[in-house]
Amino acid sequence: GENVEQHPSTLSVQEGDSAVIKCTYSDSASNYFPWYKQELGKGPQLIIDIRSNVGEKKDQRIAVTLNKTAKHFSLHITETQPEDSAVYFCAARSGGFKTIFGAGTRLFVKA
Amino acid sequence: GAGVSQSPSNKVTEKGKDVELRCDPISGHTALYWYRQSLGQGLEFLIYFQGNSAPDKSGLPSDRFSAERTGGSVSTLTIQRTQQEDSAVYLCASSLAGADYEQYFGPGTRLTVT
Repeated sequence: GENVEQHPSTLSVQEGDSAVIKCTYSDSASNYFPWYKQELGKGPQLIIDIRSNVGEKKDQRIAVTLNKTAKHFSLHITETQPEDSAVYFCAARSGGFKTIFGAGTRLFVKA
Repeated sequence: GAGVSQSPSNKVTEKGKDVELRCDPISGHTALYWYRQSLGQGLEFLIYFQGNSAPDKSGLPSDRFSAERTGGSVSTLTIQRTQQEDSAVYLCASSLAGADYEQYFGPGTRLTVT
């Protein structure tokens, strides 16, 4: 069945450093890849997304890259701040309504 | 404007009891989703509603789980004869129309089965 793998499960960085989270997906028909940030006690919130006709997208300190051939996509956060500490989820959707989520990455940004 | 709301925020129940979890989507959102998030895990898709109909119920873990949506708005997820493995956070999300629109999540209901 469809599967999204996410690595690492935990990531600890120093404030100001960059953080990279990587995901792979199994369904070659996937064409939409959102990233969510979940803070403690809250629901996930969309932070950036990318569609399969684009290789890279950037929004201020956040960027996402997509390699359709390898079925890889990654989240890059530059100049990390303590408020970036949260759990991040990647996801993939293949045109229907069903979104498959990765297991999440817990990011710690140390001040 | 108001976001997705869920109630209760926390629910503790005894094994074997039935529970009902409620989701109020954003006004005007015709698509509604239920997910389950076990401790330290990702989101597991349960069911999707477009309007009042649920075209795909394949994510429901067992026949103890059911969901309904009335008036194209509020949805209720019911778990009958709860088991300890049902303990998780149940998240609801809503979106405009369907697949191509952002899903907005509620804060979730934390269910603990003792």
